[in-house]
Amino acid sequence: GNSVTQMEGPVTLSEEAFLTINCTYTATGYPSLFWYVQYPGEGLQLLLKATKADDKGSNKGFEATYRKETTSFHLEKGSVQVSDSAVYFCALVTGSQGNLIFGKGTKLSVKP
Amino acid sequence: NAGVTQTPKFRVLKTGQSMTLLCAQDMNHEYMYWYRQDPGMGLRLIHYSVGEGTTAKGEVPDGYNVSRLKKQNFLLGLESAAPSQTSVYFCASSFPFEGSEQYFGPGTRLTVT
Repeated sequence: GNSVTQMEGPVTLSEEAFLTINCTYTATGYPSLFWYVQYPGEGLQLLLKATKADDKGSNKGFEATYRKETTSFHLEKGSVQVSDSAVYFCALVTGSQGNLIFGKGTKLSVKP
Repeated sequence: NAGVTQTPKFRVLKTGQSMTLLCAQDMNHEYMYWYRQDPGMGLRLIHYSVGEGTTAKGEVPDGYNVSRLKKQNFLLGLESAAPSQTSVYFCASSFPFEGSEQYFGPGTRLTVT
């Protein structure tokens, strides 16, 4: 079946450090890939997405490239801020009904 | 626009009690979803709906029922709550296009004692 595996946290970084959160997937067909972010006490919100191979999603300094050959969608940011502290979820969807399949989430803490 | 709203925000139930969680969206979305979030498990889909009057089972549907009588509302019911249903519940909605973003509500924290 379809599944998403992302690196386990928590991840603790100093401000301005480089961030990578690994995400790999297993899916039949051609999934769309997403990164969602959950700030403390809130619901999830879309950070970025990519809908086909080699697409790059980007938003707020975060980037991820859809790599079909390695079935990966790693999240990167060149210089994290304290305000980036949150839980990050990688997810995929296949088919027309839009059912998201989530990874388990990676908690990021950024220290000043 | 309020987006996706959920009622209530918090609830404590005793084992065997019933309750209904309400989700409302004002974005005219066709699709609506109920997820539960448990520590270390990510989010798992309980039930979903692709339109008014339709519902379908997700990954973890046992112990829950849903109804979508109006396009803007999606209700999640627990007929006989169990401690295993202690969780944070999120509702989401989206347009019916492949790759569409899902918009999430703020969540309901439910504790079953």
